[in-house]
Amino acid sequence: DAKTTQPNSMESNEEEPVHLPCNHSTISGTDYIHWYRQLPSQGPEYVIHGLTSNVNNRMASLAIAEDRKSSTLILHRATLRDAAVYYCILMRNNDMRFGAGTRLTVKP
Amino acid sequence: EAQVTQNPRYLITVTGKKLTVTCSQNMNHEYMSWYRQDPGLGLRQIYYSMNVEVTDKGDVPEGYKVSRKEKRNFPLILESPSPNQTSLYFCASSPITGLAGTQYFGPGTRLTVL
Repeated sequence: DAKTTQPNSMESNEEEPVHLPCNHSTISGTDYIHWYRQLPSQGPEYVIHGLTSNVNNRMASLAIAEDRKSSTLILHRATLRDAAVYYCILMRNNDMRFGAGTRLTVKP
Repeated sequence: EAQVTQNPRYLITVTGKKLTVTCSQNMNHEYMSWYRQDPGLGLRQIYYSMNVEVTDKGDVPEGYKVSRKEKRNFPLILESPSPNQTSLYFCASSPITGLAGTQYFGPGTRLTVL
């Protein structure tokens, strides 16, 4: 199994950057690193994904370690609406294994 | 609007009464899948489908059936529901089969089996 390890919970202040870490030491060369989030009472929502290089989109940035054994999701300015459970997932042959994720709390 | 829809959103039923949860996507995606979400266990895949008439088991397929007769629809069938199938169910679809596919999730169906 392609396994990831994330902290159970993190807190952030509104309008400050948030760095959500993920360890994936068993990653294989063809695994993509995906991040999803789940807001309360909603289905998971795609955030970002990458393979080797750092990636940016309108929601977040993804920083991938050179050895690919860890990655960090960066929310540049957290808002109250970013409070959610964030999942780091290794995508292997369409197989997505969700872990427990990190529950992000954003304080006003 | 591009979306994945599920019906019903909430369902309370009794043990043994067959039920179907429908899932439909309007994005012409090849890949569709079903997950269940339980407290402390996260999201677990039940079944997935790579294309029409192609389905395969996920991690927890026991007690469930699926069919994929049309590209847009992927119903989840519980022939004889039991209380341990009480859960929150999500359908998802993806435009790409392979490593980089981004999955779009439906809003969820909360099922209670008494």
